[in-house]
Amino acid sequence: KQEVTQIPAALSVPEGENLVLNCSFTDSAIYNLQWFRQDPGKGLTSLLLIQSSQREQTSGRLNASLDKSSGRSTLYIAASQPGDSATYLCAVPYYGGSQGNLIFGKGTKLSVKP
Amino acid sequence: EAGVAQSPRYKIIEKRQSVAFWCNPISGHATLYWYQQILGQGPKLLIQFQNNGVVDDSQLPKDRFSAERLKGVDSTLKIQPAKLEDSAVYLCASSLRASSYEQYFGPGTRLTVT
Repeated sequence: KQEVTQIPAALSVPEGENLVLNCSFTDSAIYNLQWFRQDPGKGLTSLLLIQSSQREQTSGRLNASLDKSSGRSTLYIAASQPGDSATYLCAVPYYGGSQGNLIFGKGTKLSVKP
Repeated sequence: EAGVAQSPRYKIIEKRQSVAFWCNPISGHATLYWYQQILGQGPKLLIQFQNNGVVDDSQLPKDRFSAERLKGVDSTLKIQPAKLEDSAVYLCASSLRASSYEQYFGPGTRLTVT
């Protein structure tokens, strides 16, 4: 059974810091891994999707890496801004009983203080 | 390109009442998902449709929850009767296909059962 864990559960940093969010998964047989952002009371916004054949993906100040063999992914945020404050979720598709069902971690709640 | 649409955005009902949520996926997306997100948790899949057929409803509480996807486009999720523990955000997502494609989420419906 696939399980996804995110550490830390919450993080508070001053503006301008570089930071790393961690995601681990128990079953390394994944097709891809997706990072999402969720603002309070809102839906999920996809940030980055890394295919299993890729090692990393970049979008602006965000860089996500994937190490399938160790069951880990990291989301690196450079030069953090107050607007980055949100909950960040990682998810992997699970094909045990269906096609593409996403298994989510509980998220890391990020607060960037001015 | 229009995103995934959901309505209503918020709903407050008393326990034992019924409620229905509506979702319109991105045009051309064959796969539609309904997720339940309880406060402080990651989303959990309730049901997955491929076109208008159910692929996975193993985690849907079928004694009170039902869902349909007419003509392989719009979908409705119904709860009858609602319980206090059904208070959550209900997220609809769609993807081009189920396999390894990126999922796109709607804004969600926040349900409060009193």
